[in-house]
Amino acid sequence: DGGITQSPKYLFRKEGQNVTLSCEQNLNHDAMYWYRQDPGQGLRLIYYSQIVNDFQKGDIAEGYSVSREKKESFPLTVTSAQKNPTAFYLCASSETGRRMNTEAFFGQGTRLTVV
Amino acid sequence: AQKITQTQPGMFVQEKEAVTLDCTYDTSDPSYGLFWYKQPSSGEMIFLIYQGSYDQQNATEGRYSLNFQKARKSANLVISASQLGDSAMYFCAMREDQGGSEKLVFGKGMKLTVNP
Repeated sequence: DGGITQSPKYLFRKEGQNVTLSCEQNLNHDAMYWYRQDPGQGLRLIYYSQIVNDFQKGDIAEGYSVSREKKESFPLTVTSAQKNPTAFYLCASSETGRRMNTEAFFGQGTRLTVV
Repeated sequence: AQKITQTQPGMFVQEKEAVTLDCTYDTSDPSYGLFWYKQPSSGEMIFLIYQGSYDQQNATEGRYSLNFQKARKSANLVISASQLGDSAMYFCAMREDQGGSEKLVFGKGMKLTVNP
């Protein structure tokens, strides 16, 4: 079945450590997105990518890094520079190429907790 | 500046009644797309409906319809005949072209509670 997979579902990190969240899709989508969700804040865009080896900063990119070496994969690293990393992280993918009517498909999310 | 504004943090509606969820947006791009998503307590994001900036008619999908008022930059979601399973968070989103990249941004969402 086609879809988008995030792993792990729950992640615990010690302060000062970097951690990488996985996002894989087999939908052959060009565009991929990372969002952070906090209570009352909705989904805030961290990074997005339209093609392999290219990505853009979203609204809250500080303290995060990404790579897009393969079309199927868009991992997000939460670095020690992120001051308040505890949140729910959602990855999404969609078709692109001026097809504005294509909805984004989401993974199940990763809940990151800093301990 | 906020691109997507959802001013209602929460709403209550009686089962079988209709409800309107508000969304206003801000863009200078003539070509854009508007989306509504539902997020139950499980956390998954469920796509509901889409409206394109050039669409002449309001979008409809089953019990969902979108009241699109382009001049007012408004894209309100109407849910007819509410069901208990409609209780969830609802997010309005917009896709616009940002220098060749298509950026997809969301509002803060609103919580809908359907009472029996």
